[in-house]
Formats: sequence, structure tokens, C-alpha cells
Amino acid sequence: EAGVVQSPRYKIIEKKQPVAFWCNPISGHNTLYWYRQNLGQGPELLIRYENEEAVDDSQLPKDRFSAERLKGVDSTLKIQPAELGDSAVYLCASSLVTIEQFFGPGTRLTVL
Amino acid sequence: GQQLNQSPQSMFIQEGEDVSMNCTSSSIFNTWLWYKQDPGEGPVLLIALYKAGELTSNGRLTAQFGITRKDSFLNISASIPSDVGIYFCAGQTFYGNKLVFGAGTILRVKS
Repeated sequence: EAGVVQSPRYKIIEKKQPVAFWCNPISGHNTLYWYRQNLGQGPELLIRYENEEAVDDSQLPKDRFSAERLKGVDSTLKIQPAELGDSAVYLCASSLVTIEQFFGPGTRLTVL
Repeated sequence: GQQLNQSPQSMFIQEGEDVSMNCTSSSIFNTWLWYKQDPGEGPVLLIALYKAGELTSNGRLTAQFGITRKDSFLNISASIPSDVGIYFCAGQTFYGNKLVFGAGTILRVKS
């Protein structure tokens, strides 16, 4: 069974530029999560989707961050414009009906 | 917000030794999970605990869900070099079905 796929794996941009991350969850998993992981910390939830619906986006900085999950499968997380403090690893995870979440390898974002 | 206090922050042990790490919180959680993260990879689920007091093993790993629902520990017996990595505890909240992660325990094994 293929795991959660994320791309790109690494991204370096200058501040104020836009950036987008893509995630393909495990086949059949209806719940998709985006996390941000700062250096030396555990992942922190940004947004959770149940199928196409964003059911928890309370931690998403909506002034610059946006996400979508069209057709309830793949998802895209966007930052526009990026700030220096956005440098982090962005993790995507998916789950079926239980709390057991399976994570992708993450996208390491560096904002210069 | 809810926070998990994970300790120790890091450990440097001899191969073959047993390892113990724990997570505590002032909040109660519905489920506890333990993940391991290797450099450049996402966290991988090791053990999930669903009932207060539950003791679960997975190979050389043993974890327990504290009876008060506010803590959990993870033990690794007879450590080997591939145990190196960062171990995270995570608690599932009762409301909102959210996972809250600890800051991680960095494990280094000396062979």
C-alpha cells in the first residue's frame, strides 16, 4: 500500500513570494490533515478535512494561508505571501476512521 | 491550550540498554499515541492506546495509558542502533478529535 505522498520535498523561496504544497493521501482515507512542525517541536495541526469539508481550521492563519481539497482526495496548502517565520516542515497526514494518522515525508520550507 | 510535557528531552544510551520516556499533561485525553520520526521523514506510528490503564506491546516497545488519562510512558527494551530518532507522544482530545503532540525525546544509541 502506497503511503502519503507529498511534493515538493524541499522548497526555498524569498519572503513575500507565494508557495504551494501538494499532498496525496493513502487511498481510501477520508480524513486529511496539514501540520506545521517547527525545529525542535512536535507537529501542530493547521487544518483537518473530512472528505472535501474543512472541519477544523481554527489554527490556520487565514490572512496568508489557504488550503483546498477538491474531490476529497488530493489537497493543496498555499502560503501567500510567505514570511520568514513560515520556515518549517509542512506535514500531511491521512486517516480512515480511527485516530491513527499516517504521515507523509513532509515539505521543508525555507524562507529567506 | 492543551500541552504535553515530554521527558526527557534527549537521551544518549549504550546499545542494549533499556529506555524509558514519558508524557504528562494537566488535561485528560481520549487516546494516546507514540510516534517515531527519523531525519527528513514524517512521524511513524508505533503504538496506539485507547483505554485508561491499557498496557500494550509492539516488539521491544511497551507503552501504557495512565489511569488518570493525563499521562503515558513508552519503554524500549534492549536498544539497538536503529532505535535512534525522535519519539513523540500525542494525545487525542475528547472534543474536536484533535491530536496534540509533545516536543519529542531525542534518542541516541552508542554502539
